[in-house]
Amino acid sequence: AQKVTQAQTEISVVEKEDVTLDCVYETRDTTYYLFWYKQPPSGELVFLIRRNSFDEQNEISGRYSWNFQKSTSSFNFTITASQVVDSAVYFCALLPNTGNQFYFGTGTSLTVIP
Amino acid sequence: DAGITQSPRYKITETGRQVTLMCHQTWSHSYMFWYRQDLGHGLRLIYYSAAADITDKGEVPDGYVVSRSKTENFPLTLESATRSQTSVYFCASRMGLAGGQETQYFGPGTRLLVL
Repeated sequence: AQKVTQAQTEISVVEKEDVTLDCVYETRDTTYYLFWYKQPPSGELVFLIRRNSFDEQNEISGRYSWNFQKSTSSFNFTITASQVVDSAVYFCALLPNTGNQFYFGTGTSLTVIP
Repeated sequence: DAGITQSPRYKITETGRQVTLMCHQTWSHSYMFWYRQDLGHGLRLIYYSAAADITDKGEVPDGYVVSRSKTENFPLTLESATRSQTSVYFCASRMGLAGGQETQYFGPGTRLLVL
């Protein structure tokens, strides 16, 4: 089965706090790709990061960082020193190498309170 | 660089009418997708296409028809709109399935209201 679980439906933090968004995936493929997308209140879906299953290095981009752990089938996303502009719905997604379609989690709605 | 566009951005129609949502991409991506987004359901795949003249069903295809005569266009038709098809529709595209081509990019979405 191919599946992505984002157990946190809604999260609220106060500005400047760090926050981690969890993503757990299931796949039988040995090669696969993981993604995070951001959907701000304006509604568009913005690509944030892609990871392939052979690259377990964590990645940092400014205040954003991603922790990929194959042992726990997780691909968590941390925002450091959150800002109001980070308020959005964040989606984690899986693309198995043997398939054509993405599998999306149901999203985590993040609210950053000023 | 126009990227991927959708039209119309907003549409109000009545039950039983036929509606076509347009999607156009300028990247010559092989794959194109249609999703609907509803509260509580996240993004659900309606149809996708791996190349011109090749289409396949996704998770929720009933009531929808697609075609892909040209690589850059992937229209979605609601043959007889129902209220349950009120949703936000996203088109997406990507180049391929390996070598860094896997990232999927989304259009701005079409908000459809069926009365």
